[in-house]
Amino acid sequence: GEDVEQSLFLSVREGDSSVINCTYTDSSSTYLYWYKQEPGAGLQLLTYIFSNMDMKQDQRLTVLLNKKDKHLSLRIADTQTGDSAIYFCAESEGGGADGLTFGKGTHLIIQP
Amino acid sequence: DTAVSQTPKYLVTQMGNDKSIKCEQNLGHDTMYWYKQDSKKFLKIMFSYNNKELIINETVPNRFSPKSPDKAHLNLHINSLELGDSAVYFCASSQGGNTDTQYFGPGTRLTVL
Repeated sequence: GEDVEQSLFLSVREGDSSVINCTYTDSSSTYLYWYKQEPGAGLQLLTYIFSNMDMKQDQRLTVLLNKKDKHLSLRIADTQTGDSAIYFCAESEGGGADGLTFGKGTHLIIQP
Repeated sequence: DTAVSQTPKYLVTQMGNDKSIKCEQNLGHDTMYWYKQDSKKFLKIMFSYNNKELIINETVPNRFSPKSPDKAHLNLHINSLELGDSAVYFCASSQGGNTDTQYFGPGTRLTVL
């Protein structure tokens, strides 16, 4: 079945770049997403990338996709304390009423 | 304007009770979903629904049933609540079609005592 894997924790210093990695197994994955969940809050869509793209940049966020290795990463430049959250990688085949398959989430911890 | 809203935000109830969680979206989306997030923060799809089909995750007990009175609403009914049903339940919606980007509600924290 479909599987999405992420490391559970990442600790970075404030001002450094954070790189959160994700791997997936479903070759049919058409869309890949990054969601952010702050403590006690819902899921905020950060960005998404189509499988025919290699990279997408949006302000401090850069998404890299290696389709051959089924590897997705999210880079957050100049990490701030407000970036402290759980980051979920998710995939879907798109085009229908399929739900998203989520990774277990990476807890991003910011050190002062 | 809240795009996807859920009520209640918190729900505390006894084992064996029947309860409902409401979800509304004002995005004009065609497809709505329910997800369950357990105590370890793991998120799993429970249902997806549009006017054509209901897709049920096979692991979801039949005590859970979605009800859609109209395109903007997908409510979650749970019968005979069990301790293991305690979790945060998220509603989401998407336009469907090629992009399928899903927007989530704020979640309902259900605690079964």
